[in-house]
Amino acid sequence: SQQGEEDPQALSIQEGENATMNCSYKTSINNLQWYRQNSGRGLVHLILIRSNEREKHSGRLRVTLDTSKKSSSLLITASRAADTASYFCATAKSNYQLIWGAGTKLIIKP
Amino acid sequence: EPEVTQTPSHQVTQMGQEVILRCVPISNHLYFYWYRQILGQKVEFLVSFYNNEISEKSEIFDDQFSVERPDGSNFTLKIRSTKLEDSAMYFCASSEAQTNTGELFFGEGSRLTVL
Repeated sequence: SQQGEEDPQALSIQEGENATMNCSYKTSINNLQWYRQNSGRGLVHLILIRSNEREKHSGRLRVTLDTSKKSSSLLITASRAADTASYFCATAKSNYQLIWGAGTKLIIKP
Repeated sequence: EPEVTQTPSHQVTQMGQEVILRCVPISNHLYFYWYRQILGQKVEFLVSFYNNEISEKSEIFDDQFSVERPDGSNFTLKIRSTKLEDSAMYFCASSEAQTNTGELFFGEGSRLTVL
């Protein structure tokens, strides 16, 4: 997998269920970021987890980071229709450049 | 809440024409970026700008591309002679800190269609 590679590519669940997306990366990182993109819209920052953190919460979002496995997961609990979007992880290739995975397309069925 | 604004939201142009995409970053941010996303593909880094100069650019950002911060508020991306493969969504972003330490704030994007 490439730097910032998410899986699954697509995920369809019922409203109210939890959604888990995973991200793997190759090189060492200072932090890993998750972004959401609604169809045809801009990227919205969700959460940043630093390399010395293992877990971080923000509302219904929980992000974990395992630097030994070079992987991160994003959990959305109690999903809602409004959570339908693509979710991307991103890592810094340098001081100025983020590199992105292909994203997980999440569909929440009412 | 402060936001990054981009204009135009959609531009259609003929191949070979010049295009300027405009962005107004968040006012107290110091770092500015352009990314692009070809339909259905990954987000790709184009260029970063700090202290009135390019701090980093990707292989995509060739001589056909240029950036400018003409007046302290706007941040523009110019494509001198557009190609069909330049068709994409172009996102401007800004941040308070460098990419490896802080989050980026993105605009809604400018969709460029080259015919």
